[in-house]
Amino acid sequence: SAVISQKPSRDICQRGTSLTIQCQVDSQVTMMFWYRQQPGQSLTLIATANQGSEATYESGFVIDKFPISRPNLTFSTLTVSNMSPEDSSIYLCSVAGGLGLEQFFGPGTRLTVL
Amino acid sequence: GESVGLHLPTLSVQEGDNSIINCAYSNSASDYFIWYKQESGKGPQFIIDIRSNMDKRQGQRVTVLLNKTVKHLSLQIAATQPGDSAVYFCAENKNDYKLSFGAGTTVTVRA
Repeated sequence: SAVISQKPSRDICQRGTSLTIQCQVDSQVTMMFWYRQQPGQSLTLIATANQGSEATYESGFVIDKFPISRPNLTFSTLTVSNMSPEDSSIYLCSVAGGLGLEQFFGPGTRLTVL
Repeated sequence: GESVGLHLPTLSVQEGDNSIINCAYSNSASDYFIWYKQESGKGPQFIIDIRSNMDKRQGQRVTVLLNKTVKHLSLQIAATQPGDSAVYFCAENKNDYKLSFGAGTTVTVRA
């Protein structure tokens, strides 16, 4: 499976600021996704990061709040904009598109908003 | 071994016993299912997957069973070890890579 890294691994931010999270994969992948995991909860898909075009967002998530970039097949960023304490979560990127439907996750970015 | 017929948020298992973790999925159109293990402070780790044209698949110390009639998925772990302590999630999709996750079961292994 691909090796996936995320930066930063954790951060503490002030209300009203924005944070950009990076996801780097060690090989080219077809699909990249961003998920959110609220404290003690399961994972929820935020969006599909599309290379060269706008991300595809799931219901309840909008581009103004979570802008996403994917400039190539190995890298994506997620920005959490105008943060509030409710945005405190783990943000995870995942990759897929190998021989099968398997999907693999990065280590996550643990965000706390004060 | 320990087993649960319904999804429970926690499962306590004696080391060496077998564990069974259950998951009910919601979408009858789902045709691909994955089990993940998430240890504290880490991202979910892929354990095993199964397609809807199968009802059983085995891996190393793990077996996944799929019952499409009642939309039920289970993960069996043989000879549970302390390193198996984690939160386990089932996930489903419809061949489009978009995963829908279950609530998760926290497994604690007793020495």
